[in-house]
Amino acid sequence: KQEVTQIPAALSVPEGENLVLNCSFTDSAIYNLQWFRQDPGKGLTSLLLIQSSQREQTSGRLNASLDKSSGRSTLYIAASQPGDSATYLCAVQGAQKLVFGQGTRLTINP
Amino acid sequence: NAGVMQNPRHLVRRRGQEARLRCSPMKGHSHVYWYRQLPEEGLKFMVYLQKENIIDESGMPKERFSAEFPKEGPSILRIQQVVRGDSAAYFCASLFGLGDTYEQYFGPGTRLTVT
Repeated sequence: KQEVTQIPAALSVPEGENLVLNCSFTDSAIYNLQWFRQDPGKGLTSLLLIQSSQREQTSGRLNASLDKSSGRSTLYIAASQPGDSATYLCAVQGAQKLVFGQGTRLTINP
Repeated sequence: NAGVMQNPRHLVRRRGQEARLRCSPMKGHSHVYWYRQLPEEGLKFMVYLQKENIIDESGMPKERFSAEFPKEGPSILRIQQVVRGDSAAYFCASLFGLGDTYEQYFGPGTRLTVT
């Protein structure tokens, strides 16, 4: 049974810092890994999707890496801004469904 | 191409009533997933449907919950005799698949409040 863990559960940093969010999964048989952003009371915004054959994806200030063999992914956010404050969810796509981590609640302080 | 649509966005039901949540996938997508997010928790898989077929319902509670995806019309998640513990956000996603590439596209969710 696939399990996804995100560390830390919450993170608070001053504006401008670079930061890393971590995601680990127990079963390396995945099709892809996806990072989402969720604002309070809102839906999911897809940030980056990494196919199982890829090692990383980049979009603007965001970079996500995937190491299938070790069951790890990281989301790197450069030059953080207060607007980046949200919960970040990691999810892995197995044969039939996405399995989500519990999320990291990120607060960027001005 | 419109995205995944869900309605209603907010639904209030009294205990014992029925809740019907609707999901229209993206045009051309014939696979739908339902996920539930309880307060302060992550999203949990409920059910995976293709048109007229339930593929995987391993995440569905055994009682009171049912889902369908008819040949015509939206997918429906139905909760009978709702209880306070059913209060949650319910998200629907439709699947794009090409070769070994898969991506789920999420709707905005339906927030169910049971009073």
